[in-house]
Amino acid sequence: AAGVIQSPRHLIKEKRETATLKCYPIPRHDTVYWYQQGPGQDPQFLISFYEKMQSDKGSIPDRFSAQQFSDYHSELNMSSLELGDSALYFCASRPAGLGSYNEQFFGPGTRLTVL
Amino acid sequence: SQQGEEDPQALSIQEGENATMNCSYKTSINNLQWYRQNSGRGLVHLILIRSNEREKHSGRLRVTLDTSKKSSSLLITASRAADTASYFCATDAGTDKLIFGTGTRLQVFP
Repeated sequence: AAGVIQSPRHLIKEKRETATLKCYPIPRHDTVYWYQQGPGQDPQFLISFYEKMQSDKGSIPDRFSAQQFSDYHSELNMSSLELGDSALYFCASRPAGLGSYNEQFFGPGTRLTVL
Repeated sequence: SQQGEEDPQALSIQEGENATMNCSYKTSINNLQWYRQNSGRGLVHLILIRSNEREKHSGRLRVTLDTSKKSSSLLITASRAADTASYFCATDAGTDKLIFGTGTRLQVFP
């Protein structure tokens, strides 16, 4: 079965650089979520999109922005990278019409290392 | 964690033993889910229990939910070395986003 695809899987950047992470949800999934997991931490919600509109926002720095495109893929743009941005970034998707059964399907993650 | 704690933080057992992990949360929920994460890798959905359910089974997994105590437990029976991973509970407190617990690191020795 198709899963959530994230690219790149690994990314190394210098401080103050920019990074773009991409997420391709499972076909017919219309909701995308982004989570950040620091070393030894639990995943923290960043932002979500439903039908290409931002649906919720968590502890996402102003330096980060995201959008969902017409084909439902999403991109997380990160600027002025800081050492503390080093983390695993997960994308998750959810099928349309799941109602209260909020089962989210996670991608393998992008490991971002900021040097 | 924003939502709650998991207990224990780490658990080491022998193959064949049962592993029990507990999760507490702070707010009312629609449902509670358990995820598994192998070291530094993706999150795999294990099981979802709705707020009006008290117990659910899936293979070697048994999940209980006590909404009056705002707690859940995950039992893995007859554990295997391949069960070694971190286990997270996650809740959606009336919103879409998942709020994760702090996780339990399970080590199963052959």
